[in-house]
Amino acid sequence: EAGVAQSPRYKIIEKRQSVAFWCNPISGHATLYWYQQILGQGPKLLIQFQNNGVVDDSQLPKDRFSAERLKGVDSTLKIQPAKLEDSAVYLCASSPEVGDTEAFFGQGTRLTVV
Amino acid sequence: LAKTTQPISMDSYEGQEVNITCSHNNIATNDYITWYQQFPSQGPRFIIQGYKTKVTNEVASLFIPADRKSSTLSLPRVSLSDTAVYYCLVGDRYSNYQLIWGAGTKLIIKP
Repeated sequence: EAGVAQSPRYKIIEKRQSVAFWCNPISGHATLYWYQQILGQGPKLLIQFQNNGVVDDSQLPKDRFSAERLKGVDSTLKIQPAKLEDSAVYLCASSPEVGDTEAFFGQGTRLTVV
Repeated sequence: LAKTTQPISMDSYEGQEVNITCSHNNIATNDYITWYQQFPSQGPRFIIQGYKTKVTNEVASLFIPADRKSSTLSLPRVSLSDTAVYYCLVGDRYSNYQLIWGAGTKLIIKP
């Protein structure tokens, strides 16, 4: 069974530029999560989707971050414009249903904003 | 929301049993306890989950006392490849967005 796929693995951009990350969850998984992990810290949930609907986005900085999951399958997370403090690893995870606390994570995208 | 407290780091040696304790004094009735493992440059990986008493799988055991205010992850006979960060999470399993990730415990296994 293929795992959660994310791309790109690494990205370096200048502040005020925009960037997008892509995630393809495990086939059949209804729930998809985007996390931000700053070096030395645990992951912080940005947004959770159930199929193509948003379950929670309370910690998503909506003035600069946006995410979509069209057709309830793959998802993109966008940052526009990026700030230096956005430098982090962006992790995508999926689970079969909302009640499944066993989430399967991708390898993440390491973003460096200079 | 239940907050967890874990040691920042631990050292052990190959072949030893390692126990990592997590404190969660304000755990709620519906909360489950979940542990994840994270290697450098990888996403976290689910290890084990429990509600009370003891849970065991092929990787680890989870011990939860009757008051559920703490839990202990036990890794038997560790190897160098068990060097990783271990996260203890507490939350309602039907509200995954309420899980708060702390900084975890960095476990270093020495030869």
